[in-house]
Amino acid sequence: ILNVEQSPQSLHVQEGDSTNFTCSFPSSNFYALHWYRWETAKSPEALFVMTLNGDEKKKGRISATLNTKEGYSYLYIKGSQPEDSATYLCAFGSGTYKYIFGTGTRLKVLA
Amino acid sequence: DTEVTQTPKHLVMGMTNKKSLKCEQHMGHRAMYWYKQKAKKPPELMFVYSYEKLSINESVPSRFSPECPNSSLLNLHLHALQPEDSALYLCASSQGLSSTGELFFGEGSRLTVL
Repeated sequence: ILNVEQSPQSLHVQEGDSTNFTCSFPSSNFYALHWYRWETAKSPEALFVMTLNGDEKKKGRISATLNTKEGYSYLYIKGSQPEDSATYLCAFGSGTYKYIFGTGTRLKVLA
Repeated sequence: DTEVTQTPKHLVMGMTNKKSLKCEQHMGHRAMYWYKQKAKKPPELMFVYSYEKLSINESVPSRFSPECPNSSLLNLHLHALQPEDSALYLCASSQGLSSTGELFFGEGSRLTVL
């Protein structure tokens, strides 16, 4: 059974703080690692898709890194804002159609 | 248009009812997915359609019946459901078949079975 773990499960930070979350995944049969941002009552939206060991991606204040050899990815948010409040889901891509999701990290940024 | 549209947003049904969830995308994506998510759990794959053919059925009970009438539409027919089937049902699509491709999600249909 392939397992994807995310930590922490939830997190409250103050506006302006920087924060990071972890996604752990199997180190075998790796195709891709996805990060999605999911606001309440909206649809999950892709932040990053990473396929190569050592990949680093950045979008504004959010960035992500990938280590496929040890099976982890970090998502960083610099200078958190209230609008960053959401659930951040990672998904391990393992073959055709196969996306295995973690339970997500619920982030609340307090103004 | 990068939207996946799901209807209805909310559905309450009795155990003897028959209802359907609908999903639509106009991005020309060839793969469409149904996921089920219970509270504080990860989305779990139920079905995948590729080029309008059922490619994956993750041992889903037959009270859930998927249908793909054309490349833009995906339905999930519900019959004789149980209260434990109450969950958020998410539809997604992807351009290709490899899991290197981004998934595009709808907002989900929140199902309550009484």
